[in-house]
Amino acid sequence: DAKTTQPTSMDCAEGRAANLPCNHSTISGNEYVYWYRQIHSQGPQYIIHGLKNNETNEMASLIITEDRKSSTLILPHATLRDTAVYYCIVSSSSNTGKLIFGQGTTLQVKP
Amino acid sequence: DAGVTQSPTHLIKTRGQQVTLRCSPISGHKSVSWYQQVLGQGPQFIFQYYEKEERGRGNFPDRFSARQFPNYSSELNVNALLLGDSALYLCASSLRQGNEKLFFGSGTQLSVL
Repeated sequence: DAKTTQPTSMDCAEGRAANLPCNHSTISGNEYVYWYRQIHSQGPQYIIHGLKNNETNEMASLIITEDRKSSTLILPHATLRDTAVYYCIVSSSSNTGKLIFGQGTTLQVKP
Repeated sequence: DAGVTQSPTHLIKTRGQQVTLRCSPISGHKSVSWYQQVLGQGPQFIFQYYEKEERGRGNFPDRFSARQFPNYSSELNVNALLLGDSALYLCASSLRQGNEKLFFGSGTQLSVL
C-alpha cells in the first residue's frame, strides 16, 4: 500500500500557483519524498524530491514540514500543460527503482 | 539523446497467449524497472533489474518474468494471458539501483481479449 495520502482532484486557474498537498505521517528517517506527474497517455515524469529541506528546481518547489509528516508541491505559474495526475511517493534512496504509487491527485488547470 | 523506448506501443492478444514486451533504457543507465498500470490506477511495480540481475519483484504471479541483457535492454514476458492483464506496461530506467530519478518510457498498451 502507498504510504501517502493525496486529494483525489484539484482545480487551478491558469497563471496561478498550484499547491498540491501530501500526507506521509509514517515516513521513516531515511525516506525521501518524491513527486512525479503523468500526463495522459504518457509515462510518469520526475518532478522533484527532498529529504527534509525545501527544494526548488526549474519545474517546481517542494515544501516539507519540519516533522516531515506532510509536504506541498508548488507549481508557481500553472499552465494548461500542467494538467496531469501528480503522484507523491516516499521511498528510500537506496532503491528508487521500486516506487509505490498511490492514486495521485488529478490537477486540472483551467483557462 | 533518446529517452526510454518501448516496443511495441500497442498489442492485442487473446487469453492464454504469451507476450514479450521490450525496453531500451537511456544510454548509460544500468537499472531497468517494469510497472503495470491498470486504467484509473497508479503504476504497480513488477520487477527491477540492475547489472543484469533481478533486484526486486512486486506482488505478481510467476506468469510474469523478465530479464536484462548485456546491453542493459530488458524484456518482460507474460505467459497464459488473462483478461486482467490488460494494462499499460511501463519501463523505467535509472543510472544506478539507488539513483534519485526514474525515467519512464511511454509504455506498451496491452489488450487481452
